[in-house]
Amino acid sequence: DAKTTQPTSMDCAEGRAANLPCNHSTISGNEYVYWYRQIHSQGPQYIIHGLKNNETNEMASLIITEDRKSSTLILPHATLRDTAVYYCIVRVAPGTYKYIFGTGTRLKVLA
Amino acid sequence: DVKVTQSSRYLVKRTGEKVFLECVQDMDHENMFWYRQDPGLGLRLIYFSYDVKMKEKGDIPEGYSVSREKKERFSLILESASTNQTSMYLCASRAAGVEQFFGPGTRLTVL
Repeated sequence: DAKTTQPTSMDCAEGRAANLPCNHSTISGNEYVYWYRQIHSQGPQYIIHGLKNNETNEMASLIITEDRKSSTLILPHATLRDTAVYYCIVRVAPGTYKYIFGTGTRLKVLA
Repeated sequence: DVKVTQSSRYLVKRTGEKVFLECVQDMDHENMFWYRQDPGLGLRLIYFSYDVKMKEKGDIPEGYSVSREKKERFSLILESASTNQTSMYLCASRAAGVEQFFGPGTRLTVL
């Protein structure tokens, strides 16, 4: 089954770029990588997803390595409101409805 | 915007009570999910439903059942609540091929 590995915690200065890595070396060829974040006591919020190419939206950028074994979520100008737990998730296996969330990275943006 | 609502944000029940957690989505999504979230364990899938009246067990179905009589509503039932079911419960929905959208969560305490 696929799984993801993320650092437990990271700090970032306000206004600087936050780069959150994720290892997903067991991902299947046609499976997307999804990123969510969860602010304390709320439900996870979708941020971005990608398959092979780099992706960008109004919230973040996603860089996926060519071998697809890892990815990095980039928050270009972190604010205090970006303090949250960030999850990188993939499906357990093709054709299943199960996703692996793991314990995520706790990002703290410092003033 | 997709909206997923859960019937309660906070709930306190007694051991042995039958508990109903309701989830409603307004985007005609086929798939719906129930997760529980505990410190250090991330999100764990309890049950999911891929269509009306269709359900499958997730990773931790013991002590829970579900009901999906209408497409927009997915109910989680604790037949006889126990203290080890004290947790944050999160509902999510998705259409085929896109990301999951989460509700705000229900924090259940079983005394």
